[in-house]
Amino acid sequence: GEDVEQSLFLSVREGDSSVINCTYTDSSSTYLYWYKQEPGAGLQLLTYIFSNMDMKQDQRLTVLLNKKDKHLSLRIADTQTGDSAIYFCAESLSGYSTLTFGKGTMLLVSP
Amino acid sequence: GAGVSQSPSNKVTEKGKDVELRCDPISGHTALYWYRQRLGQGLEFLIYFQGNSAPDKSGLPSDRFSAERTGESVSTLTIQRTQQEDSAVYLCASSLGATQPGELFFGEGSRLTVL
Repeated sequence: GEDVEQSLFLSVREGDSSVINCTYTDSSSTYLYWYKQEPGAGLQLLTYIFSNMDMKQDQRLTVLLNKKDKHLSLRIADTQTGDSAIYFCAESLSGYSTLTFGKGTMLLVSP
Repeated sequence: GAGVSQSPSNKVTEKGKDVELRCDPISGHTALYWYRQRLGQGLEFLIYFQGNSAPDKSGLPSDRFSAERTGESVSTLTIQRTQQEDSAVYLCASSLGATQPGELFFGEGSRLTVL
């Protein structure tokens, strides 16, 4: 079955880069996503990557996909205190199927 | 409204009582999802509605859980005879359906506490 694993916690200093890692088991995954959940708020889509890509960059965010190892990472450059949140990795088999989420990685950015 | 709206935001109930949670999706979104987020756990898929198709109920954990959706608008998640393990945040999300890959818009959730 589908399973998405993430480390639970990451602490960095303001200005450093953050790297959040995720592994998934379903090789049929077509889309992989990163969602952000700020305290008391719903999840917001940060970015997604199609499985035929190995990298996607969007301003301070870089997503790397290693399809062979079923490994996805999110790098946040110049991390700010406002980036403190829970980051969820998710996969889906198609653009309109249900998403399977990991447990989330809590990112804490200290000044 | 501008976003997905859920009510109530907080609900405390006694074990054995029934509860109803409501979700108003973004207007025009044909797809609607319910997820459950228990403390320290990831998002657990419950049910998915897409237009007029039969809903995907494969994630409902027991027959105490049911959900309805009126057309492409409001959805209600009902939990009968609540148990303490039902305590969680219930998240609703909507999307345009097949036109955008996985861009779910989430509500802030309904936090359910079963005493």
